Amino acid sequence: DTGVSQNPRHKITKRGQNVTFRCDPISEHNRLYWYRQTLGQGPEFLTYFQNEAQLEKSRLLSDRFSAERPKGSFSTLEIQRTEQGDSAMYLCASSYLERFTDTQYFGPGTRLTVL
Amino acid sequence: AQSVTQLDSHVSVSEGTPVLLRCNYSSSYSPSLFWYVQHPNKGLQLLLKYTSAATLVKGINGFEAEFKKSETSFHLTKPSAHMSDAAEYFCVVTLTNDYKLSFGAGTTVTVRA
Repeated sequence: DTGVSQNPRHKITKRGQNVTFRCDPISEHNRLYWYRQTLGQGPEFLTYFQNEAQLEKSRLLSDRFSAERPKGSFSTLEIQRTEQGDSAMYLCASSYLERFTDTQYFGPGTRLTVL
Repeated sequence: AQSVTQLDSHVSVSEGTPVLLRCNYSSSYSPSLFWYVQHPNKGLQLLLKYTSAATLVKGINGFEAEFKKSETSFHLTKPSAHMSDAAEYFCVVTLTNDYKLSFGAGTTVTVRA
């Protein structure tokens, strides 16, 4: 069990550019989540996958954001035409569906800075 | 909808003294509650979770939390703080059989030598 990994760890981009982040979940986990954390706040839910199906998207996820999880393994989160307000830590988590409540394990995050 | 309120944004303790981090929750149904810790430049780590079993939950690194339904609270405690406990702590709620975690705003813990 190598844990959840995220790449890159840091990304600095100029406003208007597109960026893509990758998340590799724990290998046997069938659920994958993306959260966004801004300075001084707790993480906020963005979207959720069960296997390859994206089952829910938060209203926080504007149409500039898209997430995929091909083949139910790694996931990518793309932000098009970045804005300064997109600057945040983007966290990925994964879990294995248990009977009542699954436990989400988080990666180290990708810190995005939009200049 | 469910939510949590962490009553202290910052807690400062001396090494070797008890730590108390306060959390109140709001939930229409039976909640599951968690405490996560976030050290600088590291990912969120699960300290402990409550899922309707024993109301006193023991976690890692000597932390424990007590679920009190009558007070809608889930406070985190540790009898003796260590320097390595300096971090950001998040109280988290979700509904049983749900997957979306709702995080509190966090409590920053500093430990004085």
